[in-house]
Amino acid sequence: DAGVTQSPTHLIKTRGQQVTLRCSPKSGHDTVSWYQQALGQGPQFIFQYYEEEERQRGNFPDRFSGHQFPNYSSELNVNALLLGDSALYLCASSQRGGSYNSPLHFGNGTRLTVT
Amino acid sequence: SQELEQSPQSLIVQEGKNLTINCTSSKTLYGLYWYKQKYGEGLIFLMMLQKGGEEKSHEKITAKLDEKKQQSSLHITASQPSHAGIYLCGAGHSGGYQKVTFGTGTKLQVIP
Repeated sequence: DAGVTQSPTHLIKTRGQQVTLRCSPKSGHDTVSWYQQALGQGPQFIFQYYEEEERQRGNFPDRFSGHQFPNYSSELNVNALLLGDSALYLCASSQRGGSYNSPLHFGNGTRLTVT
Repeated sequence: SQELEQSPQSLIVQEGKNLTINCTSSKTLYGLYWYKQKYGEGLIFLMMLQKGGEEKSHEKITAKLDEKKQQSSLHITASQPSHAGIYLCGAGHSGGYQKVTFGTGTKLQVIP
């Protein structure tokens, strides 16, 4: 039973560029949440997708956007990269439309470095 | 201010010793989750607590929820080097759709 998978594992981009990160949820999960984790900090909620729609959003600018596909996989896009966007980006999936009864299961993340 | 405060921020213990990590919320809790993270990796789910007074155990790790105080504690008995890592508490603070926020974590080192 495959868990949450993310790609790529590492990425180096230049300031001003755009990046796309990908996530496949755990089998049986229908909800995907994205988090940004800066060094030494806890994960910060970016947004959550369910039924191909963004359902909730954290305190992140519009440069951060996403998409969920019919097979529940998801993408995170970041435009006009800033140095401060360097972080570990974590994808988490859960069941039942993201009920609190269903804990988040995380992938191993994508390490993004912006130079 | 942080919605979730964890203490201590870091902990160094001798192998075999017991330890406790605390997590305090400034808002009403809709589910409290404990995770472990190794440096640069994803979060591994440990336990979920939802009801006041609830206590769960997995191997040598026990977590309790005090709903009235909006606090949870994670206790490790007879620590081992394999327990080393960063422990994070996460909580839902709004009703309806799941939105889990996290504390800043507690870094645990276990000295053999």
